[in-house]
Amino acid sequence: GQSLEQPSEVTAVEGAIVQINCTYQTSGFYGLSWYQQHDGGAPTFLSYNALDGLEETGRFSSFLSRSDSYGYLLLQELQMKDSASYFCAGLISGGYNKLIFGAGTRLAVHP
Amino acid sequence: DAGVIQSPRHEVTEMGQEVTLRCKPISGHDYLFWYRQTMMRGLELLIYFNNNVPIDDSGMPEDRFSAKMPNASFSTLKIQPSEPRDSAVYFCASSLAPWTRSYEQYFGPGTRLTVT
Repeated sequence: GQSLEQPSEVTAVEGAIVQINCTYQTSGFYGLSWYQQHDGGAPTFLSYNALDGLEETGRFSSFLSRSDSYGYLLLQELQMKDSASYFCAGLISGGYNKLIFGAGTRLAVHP
Repeated sequence: DAGVIQSPRHEVTEMGQEVTLRCKPISGHDYLFWYRQTMMRGLELLIYFNNNVPIDDSGMPEDRFSAKMPNASFSTLKIQPSEPRDSAVYFCASSLAPWTRSYEQYFGPGTRLTVT
């Protein structure tokens, strides 16, 4: 089956760096996305990696290694507002084009 | 653009009643997705459309669920009859073609459904 595994919870302090890992087991894998969701809100797009390597967008970076079926989201200079759930999602192609979401990682940022 | 629009934002209904959720995607987006989110099952894809045609409905839980997209700017998700286990937040999302370089799905604010 198709699955993505990520830690359920991560805790960090303001100003720190945190890495959220995601391993996947999918067929027809095309790329890896990351979404952020605040409590009571909708998922919002953070990044998408179609190629191996690091993509940087401000304080957030995302990495993909297809050979290892692995990716991560790196959050730097953490702020209180970064407290949210973070989902990795695999884009599956091959007839269908859809995102399969991981269960999400709840990040708590403390002062 | 106003983004993806969903209505209603909240719906409380009794078991056995019909529920209709509505979605207006972002203009120009070819793909429309319906998701359901619960604590137990996370974010699940129910069905998606490409150019108004249903492509994959393998996530639809059972025959009580149906979805339509009569035109490029409107879609509905209907539950008939509703059951308490259908209580969840239902999100609609839209996107351009998945093979674009910065593939992104845009989510609506969601409809929080409570079935009593």
